[in-house]
Amino acid sequence: GAVVSQHPSRVICKSGTSVKIECRSLDFQATTMFWYRQFPKQSLMLMATSNEGSKATYEQGVEKDKFLINHASLTLSTLTVTSAHPEDSSFYICSAPGVFPEAFFGQGTRLTVV
Amino acid sequence: TQLLEQSPQFLSIQEGENLTVYCNSSSVFSSLQWYRQEPGEGPVLLVTVVTGGEVKKLKRLTFQFGDARKDSSLHITAAQPGDTGLYLCAGDAGGGAQKLVFGQGTRLTINP
Repeated sequence: GAVVSQHPSRVICKSGTSVKIECRSLDFQATTMFWYRQFPKQSLMLMATSNEGSKATYEQGVEKDKFLINHASLTLSTLTVTSAHPEDSSFYICSAPGVFPEAFFGQGTRLTVV
Repeated sequence: TQLLEQSPQFLSIQEGENLTVYCNSSSVFSSLQWYRQEPGEGPVLLVTVVTGGEVKKLKRLTFQFGDARKDSSLHITAAQPGDTGLYLCAGDAGGGAQKLVFGQGTRLTINP
């Protein structure tokens, strides 16, 4: 079946630095991908919709200048957390649409900002 | 904004018992999905229900979609320790392309 791969699976960075997370669709093309955030013991919250060749659409309350999304090709979307702070520590998950209504999820990236 | 209320949020039972998890909304969904998530991993799809009143079975798991397509339930029969995990319901948030809204999740623990 279709696979979505996320990289890295874990990252630790210093406060004030930027971190890039990649989301790849391995055997299919995805003109749209979604980025979710999950705090410990909580559910997934949609952050933004990544659109190939155009600007991402952000959910209310998500800072677009802090969470930069680039969807430069049909198989790759990246999320860059800029000037990271400890409160940005979270589990970030991407997904890509499969055959409606299903979606395929990446393995997630655990970001720890120290 | 479409919301999904999932209950209970935490459930700890003994092996062999039955349980039901509920996912409710005031909104109509074109489909609802149930996922299971292990710590440190992405959610894995268990089932998708599309038709009002639909019932799907996956071994000891039974999923039901309400007639009005506003609610769903997950019933586990004779729970086993291997069923331990986070169960999430999710619905199509609209706008196509499988943009999902998730319930709060049910953290299930099955004790041997």
